[in-house]
Amino acid sequence: QQQVKQSPQSLIVQKGGISIINCAYENTAFDYFPWYQQFPGKGPALLIAIRPDVSEKKEGRFTISFNKSAKQFSLHIMDSQPGDSATYFCAASYNYGQNFVFGPGTRLSVLP
Amino acid sequence: GAGVSQSPSNKVTEKGKDVELRCDPISGHTALYWYRQRLGQGLEFLIYFQGNSAPDKSGLPSDRFSAERTGESVSTLTIQRTQQEDSAVYLCASSLIRRGDEQYFGPGTRLTVT
Repeated sequence: QQQVKQSPQSLIVQKGGISIINCAYENTAFDYFPWYQQFPGKGPALLIAIRPDVSEKKEGRFTISFNKSAKQFSLHIMDSQPGDSATYFCAASYNYGQNFVFGPGTRLSVLP
Repeated sequence: GAGVSQSPSNKVTEKGKDVELRCDPISGHTALYWYRQRLGQGLEFLIYFQGNSAPDKSGLPSDRFSAERTGESVSTLTIQRTQQEDSAVYLCASSLIRRGDEQYFGPGTRLTVT
């Protein structure tokens, strides 16, 4: 119940294309769903986050889509750039962050 | 302001030795987390500190692992009698609970046990 599943494990996209990463959860107590971006040798950095009272959140080229009934959420990267090449982690938490679970990560490569 | 800092950035140790990893959270952040990240893997939760509450140690993999935090300040993660399977990057994150759940990560300590 505490798991967050993430797919695909790796993703290759051409420059300018759309990158889509999907996550699913079981625990309905989760009330915060962030996405983190990690470059090699660096710690993860918060990219964008959503709470379940909205179905979509957009920040620049990054959009989270959230489907509460299906217990799924996804990250869309529009106009993907080589600089977006990184590992992306979805996560979920509740109880003001005390219970925080990360997905296994997706390695994104954007080809020039 | 300064972000989360961790030291050392790299640590090579012999099997059986003890190591101590340090995390300096962002000033004022009441919550602090330790994670382990094996090569090419996701983040494995280890321990969580929140203010003066008892820490959540549910993620510590064995009794060789322990962590302490002084108030809302520095935290140290100690691994006793290190094993080769302890080799990983150890990440620390802090959070200002009042503003939500955003975690800010440090750069990590890469531990190699030979």
